[in-house]
Amino acid sequence: EAGVAQSPRYKIIEKRQSVAFWCNPISGHATLYWYQQILGQGPKLLIQFQNNGVVDDSQLPKDRFSAERLKGVDSTLKIQPAKLEDSAVYLCASSFQGTRYNEQFFGPGTRLTVL
Amino acid sequence: AQSVAQPEDQVNVAEGNPLTVKCTYSVSGNPYLFWYVQYPNRGLQFLLKYITGDNLVKGSYGFEAEFNKSQTSFHLKKPSALVSDSALYFCAVRDGNSGNTPLVFGKGTRLSVIA
Repeated sequence: EAGVAQSPRYKIIEKRQSVAFWCNPISGHATLYWYQQILGQGPKLLIQFQNNGVVDDSQLPKDRFSAERLKGVDSTLKIQPAKLEDSAVYLCASSFQGTRYNEQFFGPGTRLTVL
Repeated sequence: AQSVAQPEDQVNVAEGNPLTVKCTYSVSGNPYLFWYVQYPNRGLQFLLKYITGDNLVKGSYGFEAEFNKSQTSFHLKKPSALVSDSALYFCAVRDGNSGNTPLVFGKGTRLSVIA
């Protein structure tokens, strides 16, 4: 089966610019996650969707980050405006259901560099 | 709040020798524990999980992990290491008793298997 797709794979922008990332989860997976992975750290959850509803966005910096999953399938994550500290790999993951014991399947990530 | 500690940034092992990657956790409820592996320029791949039952869990690629409740540990092991096992390994925990607590990752341990 096809895995989680993400684009672009790499993005370089200057601070205060805007950027958007796209994710297409595994077909049939109701739950979608966006993580931020800063170099030398483990992934940190930014937002979790169940179908097209938000389950958890408690760690999303809402003054500059936004995410949507309008039709309950693919999703976009936006940063506006970007700061230097946003440089990281942004990982998208999906799971069949959002239950606590389900493993998550990760995409290859988007590496963002903010100059 | 739950947390994960991976005390070793780097583990070096000779090919054919047994390997252990350490993980300890803290969670208020029942721990749901996961191991993921990350190869260069690729997303995280699920290796194994402990939810309940037998304390020894077997996973992909010959890996196994032992859940030890008294020591709050979930160390990853393999009897005979391969050069292809060289990668970044992440332990993660979720509170099994709490509705929507996120999956919390450790900072990762880099495994280097030397031929």
